[in-house]
Amino acid sequence: NAGVMQNPRHLVRRRGQEARLRCSPMKGHSHVYWYRQLPEEGLKFMVYLQKENIIDESGMPKERFSAEFPKEGPSILRIQQVVRGDSAAYFCASSRTSGGPSNTGELFFGEGSRLTVL
Amino acid sequence: KQEVTQIPAALSVPEGENLVLNCSFTDSAIYNLQWFRQDPGKGLTSLLLIQSSQREQTSGRLNASLDKSSGRSTLYIAASQPGDSATYLCAVRAADSWGKLQFGAGTQVVVTP
Repeated sequence: NAGVMQNPRHLVRRRGQEARLRCSPMKGHSHVYWYRQLPEEGLKFMVYLQKENIIDESGMPKERFSAEFPKEGPSILRIQQVVRGDSAAYFCASSRTSGGPSNTGELFFGEGSRLTVL
Repeated sequence: KQEVTQIPAALSVPEGENLVLNCSFTDSAIYNLQWFRQDPGKGLTSLLLIQSSQREQTSGRLNASLDKSSGRSTLYIAASQPGDSATYLCAVRAADSWGKLQFGAGTQVVVTP
């Protein structure tokens, strides 16, 4: 049973370019979360999605960042017009459901995508 | 606003010693607490998850306790090995959240042979 798959693992972009990060959740998981880990900082929540729906985007920067989880295919985190401050590790996590009596709500993380902006 | 603190920030022990890692949180209205391990340049590996109604969870040499009323969790690693060297992260999920985790800054552990 494959874990959470993220690609690319490493991405280099020049200022002003676009970055697209992909995440395929674990089999049977319908909930996807994106987190960002800036250098020397802890992990911060960005966005929570279910298929075709954004549930909570309270951690997303208001501009240049967007996320989707289409009916078919992986979840995509898109960063437009990247700046040096966007350089970070972006982690995707998935869970079976959001929780409830029959589910622990445990999150499983991918290996991350490391974005470097030159 | 939930704040999660991990003490100490770094820890170095000789092989064979027991490790004690602390995590505190300010809002006791949590759904669960999860401990992770992160190796340099790698992702997060889930170690233990404790539901708010539980007091502890055990897996092999790892034991995690939870005292929700005092806002504390402790991760114990028995008989440490050099392979236990990593950063350990504590994360809390609020009772009214949709799965959003609030992370501590982590404890960086080095186990020397």
